[in-house]
Amino acid sequence: DAMVIQNPRYQVTQFGKPVTLSCSQTLNHNVMYWYQQKSSQAPKLLFHYYDKDFNNEADTPDNFQSRRPNTSFCFLDIRSPGLGDAAMYLCATSRDPPAGGQPQHFGDGTRLSIL
Amino acid sequence: KNQVEQSPQSLIILEGKNCTLQCNYTVSPFSNLRWYKQDTGRGPVSLTIMTFSENTKSNGRYTATLDADTKQSSLHITASQLSDSASYICVVSGGGVYTGGFKTIFGAGTRLFVKA
Repeated sequence: DAMVIQNPRYQVTQFGKPVTLSCSQTLNHNVMYWYQQKSSQAPKLLFHYYDKDFNNEADTPDNFQSRRPNTSFCFLDIRSPGLGDAAMYLCATSRDPPAGGQPQHFGDGTRLSIL
Repeated sequence: KNQVEQSPQSLIILEGKNCTLQCNYTVSPFSNLRWYKQDTGRGPVSLTIMTFSENTKSNGRYTATLDADTKQSSLHITASQLSDSASYICVVSGGGVYTGGFKTIFGAGTRLFVKA
């Protein structure tokens, strides 16, 4: 059974039209992450939540925002998508932050296309 | 600068053969190293995790090794199957106050193709 669920699997939006991607988890993990992965590249961390504490990566554009209303759900908001934002967006969870040596559990991603 | 480099970039092998993928890193101080398998269109799945004190870890036909002195890791796949065709990603966590803070660095991956 899927433990990190991302919806939708495929999302198409228009240039400049706000879009929200969702992620839910059944693992009760403390940490939730959002990654951007472009074709044939490594996933790039955008930000993560440790409980309610939001941690933004220094090079994440302001166009990307996130919300975590409760332990189970986390959302990625792209306020004004540009053509360069077309990518696979991966959500992941872990019980502890990476220093704890616990594995990250990934969802199957949402592939975002921009028209 | 904290980096993770994987080789080869891609690899084609015949079904049933063994192969070894390499990961070199410069992350310091080192915390842990993970290997993930990512099927096309899916999220990465954890294969192994190793900390400083571990030098080998197995998961079925996958065996990872770690040499923390030379900052090298390898992932050995035994008796490959068609379903092993995927990208294999090395992920290293570590770093400290003097190296830009604690980071988790993803390698670019090795794309493995197993042919019948």
